[in-house]
Amino acid sequence: GQQLNQSPQSMFIQEGEDVSMNCTSSSIFNTWLWYKQDPGEGPVLLIALYKAGELTSNGRLTAQFGITRKDSFLNISASIPSDVGIYFCAGQNSGAGSYQLTFGKGTKLSVIP
Amino acid sequence: GAVVSQHPSRVICKSGTSVKIECRSLDFQATTMFWYRQFPKKSLMLMATSNEGSKATYEQGVEKDKFLINHASLTLSTLTVTSAHPEDSSFYICSARDGAQWTQYFGPGTRLTVL
Repeated sequence: GQQLNQSPQSMFIQEGEDVSMNCTSSSIFNTWLWYKQDPGEGPVLLIALYKAGELTSNGRLTAQFGITRKDSFLNISASIPSDVGIYFCAGQNSGAGSYQLTFGKGTKLSVIP
Repeated sequence: GAVVSQHPSRVICKSGTSVKIECRSLDFQATTMFWYRQFPKKSLMLMATSNEGSKATYEQGVEKDKFLINHASLTLSTLTVTSAHPEDSSFYICSARDGAQWTQYFGPGTRLTVL
């Protein structure tokens, strides 16, 4: 199925640094979601965005729903070791009763203490 | 709130046997549940969508007779991998959608190993 373009694929950063990752799509979505997955676990919802242009924060995390509805970014400020994991963006359209998610390929984050 | 559980978390079975995985929404009613498969270092691949009380909708390439899905109540969906083979070994993850929202909440996943 369709996939989103998520970048970067992986990143190594120093503890305390800020992180930015983004997703782009060739088609529009009316909902963007960001999930984090730890090894051997299911994805955990971090932030959900429901409106174009929306900027939402959850602690040190900030995400924005692009005005074109074709992109979204996630920022993590002042990274800590427990931020390590794989971050997935997901786009969703709820039209016609379908709530399927289209996932990006993930960004693997490594934090060097 | 919005907790989804899966059972078992890990299962090892012999080739040719069937395995049932349960997905439960613990504190909300899940109008729709989804089943995903994830290969190592890959993204989640949607297998099927199930709505309570109706037949599941399978994605292209997913065999409905091999991956039996039952969504008998608003809090429980099951995935049965029938006549499992080593190539069915994977991480299976379910998600559930609260009927009042669009957001999907994921279970912790089930690691299936077929010997």
